Amino acid sequence: KQEVTQIPAALSVPEGENLVLNCSFTDSAIYNLQWFRQDPGKGLTSLLLIQSSQREQTSGRLNASLDKSSGRSTLYIAASQPGDSATYLCAVRYGNNRLAFGKGNQVVVIP
Amino acid sequence: SQTIHQWPATLVQPVGSPLSLECTVEGTSNPNLYWYRQAAGRGLQLLFYSVGIGQISSEVPQNLSASRPQDRQFILSSKKLLLSDSGFYLCAYDRGQGGSPLHFGNGTRLTVT
Repeated sequence: KQEVTQIPAALSVPEGENLVLNCSFTDSAIYNLQWFRQDPGKGLTSLLLIQSSQREQTSGRLNASLDKSSGRSTLYIAASQPGDSATYLCAVRYGNNRLAFGKGNQVVVIP
Repeated sequence: SQTIHQWPATLVQPVGSPLSLECTVEGTSNPNLYWYRQAAGRGLQLLFYSVGIGQISSEVPQNLSASRPQDRQFILSSKKLLLSDSGFYLCAYDRGQGGSPLHFGNGTRLTVT
């Protein structure tokens, strides 16, 4: 069974610092990994999707890397802003189109 | 462009009442459709998924059911709500192709009183 872990559950950083969020998964046989952002009371917004054959994806200040063999992905957010405060979740697609989600990192960027 | 609509945004229902949550997708054909429930501290729980009209797979036995009467319409229902059905319900879709991203609706906050 695929298990996805995101540690820590919550973190705070001062504005301007780079954010580093980690996602680990137990089974390296994945098709892709997706990072989401969730604001309180809202749905999940897709940020980045990394296919299993890729090492990283970038979008603006966001960069996500994937090391499939070690079961890890990292989401980097450069020069964090208060508007980056949210919960960030990762999900892996594996097996017969199954998805496994982490419980998320709740981020607060302090002005 | 592709979009997903989910309604209502919030709902307060008494125990024993019926439930109907609706989700529609625009801009793509034959999507995979999903219903998730999100509970605080417990992450996302897959309830149902569908790969086509009338094709529903249930992940967790419970007081809920799902239907897909049209290609881009997914409905979550209950005949009699329980207190334990309270939660945040999310509809999602992907294009059914290998490696396509998952997209979520804005969710429905259901409170059963």
